[in-house]
Amino acid sequence: GENVEQHPSTLSVQEGDSAVIKCTYSDSASNYFPWYKQELGKRPQLIIDIRSNVGEKKDQRIAVTLNKTAKHFSLHITETQPEDSAVYFCAASIGGSYIPTFGRGTSLIVHP
Amino acid sequence: NAGVMQNPRHLVRRRGQEARLRCSPMKGHSHVYWYRQLPEEGLKFMVYLQKENIIDESGMPKERFSAEFPKEGPSILRIQQVVRGDSAAYFCASSPLGQGNTGELFFGEGSRLTVL
Repeated sequence: GENVEQHPSTLSVQEGDSAVIKCTYSDSASNYFPWYKQELGKRPQLIIDIRSNVGEKKDQRIAVTLNKTAKHFSLHITETQPEDSAVYFCAASIGGSYIPTFGRGTSLIVHP
Repeated sequence: NAGVMQNPRHLVRRRGQEARLRCSPMKGHSHVYWYRQLPEEGLKFMVYLQKENIIDESGMPKERFSAEFPKEGPSILRIQQVVRGDSAAYFCASSPLGQGNTGELFFGEGSRLTVL
C-alpha cells in the first residue's frame, strides 16, 4: 500500500518568515495530494490540494509543488502569521478510490 | 448544511467495556471514512463505508473492532472489550458520491476515547 513520509515533525519560525513542509510518497499510481490543517482540538480541514497533472498551485500565501518523478510534494507558506500555528498533514491517494494515506503531521509554531 | 457530526465528543470507558462512536455525514454525502489519531501521530485509516456496504476495512484491527453504516441512521464504529491502547481520537469524514467528489474529505470534530 501507499506510504507517506512527512518532514519535519516540528517547525518553529518567526512571524513573517516562510515555512516549508515536505512529503514523499511510495505509490507511483497516486495522483491526488491534499494538505489538511488541524488546529489544536479541532477537526482537520483541507487548505489546498494538487493533482498529478499540475506541478504547482498557489492560493494567496500558500502554495504546493509536486515532483512526480521524485515522488515529492511540498507545502510552502509565506509571510507566516501566528494564526498559521497548527498541525499540517499531507496525504496521497489514487484517484477513484480516494482513500487518502496521511503523513504523520508537522506541528508548525509561528512566534509573534 | 450541518457539517459532519460525531458523538460523543468525549467517552471514558474502563478496560473490558464497549465503546460506540457515531457519525452522521454531511447532507448529501454517502461515503464515510473512519480514521484513528494517536498523540504525536498522523491519521491512520481504519475503514471506508457506503450505505449498507463496507468498501475497504484494510485498516481495521481484526478483532474487537467493527463498523457499520446502515440504510437509516449514523455510521457506528464499535470497539468491544476496550484496552488502554484503544485510547485515541477517532475521526469520521465524509465525501459525496460521483462527480461531486473532488477527493476532499470533510471531517467531524472527533470522538476522544479514554480507556481507564
